[in-house]
Amino acid sequence: GAGVSQSPSNKVTEKGKDVELRCDPISGHTALYWYRQSLGQGLEFLIYFQGNSAPDKSGLPSDRFSAERTGGSVSTLTIQRTQQEDSAVYLCASSAWGGSGLFFGSGTQLSVL
Amino acid sequence: KQEVTQIPAALSVPEGENLVLNCSFTDSAIYNLQWFRQDPGKGLTSLLLIQSSQREQTSGRLNASLDKSSGRSTLYIAASQPGDSATYLCAVLFIQGGSEKLVFGKGTKLTVNP
Repeated sequence: GAGVSQSPSNKVTEKGKDVELRCDPISGHTALYWYRQSLGQGLEFLIYFQGNSAPDKSGLPSDRFSAERTGGSVSTLTIQRTQQEDSAVYLCASSAWGGSGLFFGSGTQLSVL
Repeated sequence: KQEVTQIPAALSVPEGENLVLNCSFTDSAIYNLQWFRQDPGKGLTSLLLIQSSQREQTSGRLNASLDKSSGRSTLYIAASQPGDSATYLCAVLFIQGGSEKLVFGKGTKLTVNP
């Protein structure tokens, strides 16, 4: 596609429910990143994929968070048993290789009630 | 630990002024450094990408420099306009073993007053 696409753009859920956030990177981009941004805060790194493998999962805040990437393309971030503190904008970015620069999607605004 | 620091955290200037935003990083083993702009409630827009072998990049009124040995980058904005008001983020792609690690600064919130 022309850019990084994230869906849904907005998600409202009840505390305790599971949610899935999707990221479609730019075609051919091998690296994919997930970040989280709470209101008025900086970017919090969650996980990094190179192809389908995740060499760096160090940012996942708890075992309720997981992510996968299939076919070296689409990635899904899953949050189980959501809590109110999970409310944030979840941003996805991709790049072609180490030196090509990062391109961001518009994000998913997650609100946990 | 690989860290990226941006100073100042916030900056307010009158329209027309030239200004400099600063970014420092702790490890010189980097692939590149990228400057982004984020408007309130929006995603990140890439402004300039500087490879580790480069010293500067220019786009319109923006100029970014990179001094890898001292761990510093600056973003220069000429003749600032109210539309430049946004948060500016610096991101450094560090070389980490056989992989890479992207670290963001916390950003500088710029306000250009008409």
